[in-house]
Amino acid sequence: EVQLLESGGGLVQPGGSLKLSCAASGFTFSSYAMHWVRQAPGKGLEWVSGITGTTGDTYYADSVKGRFTISRDNSKNTLFLQMKSLRGEDTALYYCAKGDYGKDFDYWGQGILVTVSS
Amino acid sequence: SYVLTQPPSVSVAPGQTARITCGGDNIGSKSVHWYQQKPGQAPLLVIHYDTDRPSGIPERFSASNSGNTATLTISRVEAGDEADYYCQVWDSSSYQWVFGGGTKLPVL
Repeated sequence: EVQLLESGGGLVQPGGSLKLSCAASGFTFSSYAMHWVRQAPGKGLEWVSGITGTTGDTYYADSVKGRFTISRDNSKNTLFLQMKSLRGEDTALYYCAKGDYGKDFDYWGQGILVTVSS
Repeated sequence: SYVLTQPPSVSVAPGQTARITCGGDNIGSKSVHWYQQKPGQAPLLVIHYDTDRPSGIPERFSASNSGNTATLTISRVEAGDEADYYCQVWDSSSYQWVFGGGTKLPVL
């Protein structure tokens, strides 16, 4: 059974930093791309960032480029999102999602809340 | 960047058929995926590769994609289908993943 468990969220001041983690199990982690998708309160889904399985190529939404860094540790089956220069509009529930070959997201974690506020 | 347009809400009575559209420039040339999100839950993939249902998704869920519009069809709608539905594509020109704004499906 595929499981994705996010951690590391919380309250941070504007301009601050936070690092999210996603522990994966139930599949061959290194074989699949992984992503972060966020959802602001009462809003829709927004893709944030993705990273390929073996080569580690990274991709970012324009809204976070230069501020967020995605990475992975295939030896520990863990995905990360380093967030810097956080803004109020980054407040959201952040989901870890497994990428499928069709560029869809076939499994999702339950999400972790990030609140940016003074 | 590529834009996907969905109606904010589509109403349907139990037992009827709901159709949720997703508009995009020449979306028929892309692979469209659909997600269901119930309140307080993570999204669930219900259709991928335009028309395919992942394991465990009822046959009542189907979809099509042609021209500038993709459509998710839910037949014999049940109260449990009440949720927000999102379409999604991968934009190869920008190498970004794109979601539609979402459609709320209240079952009246």
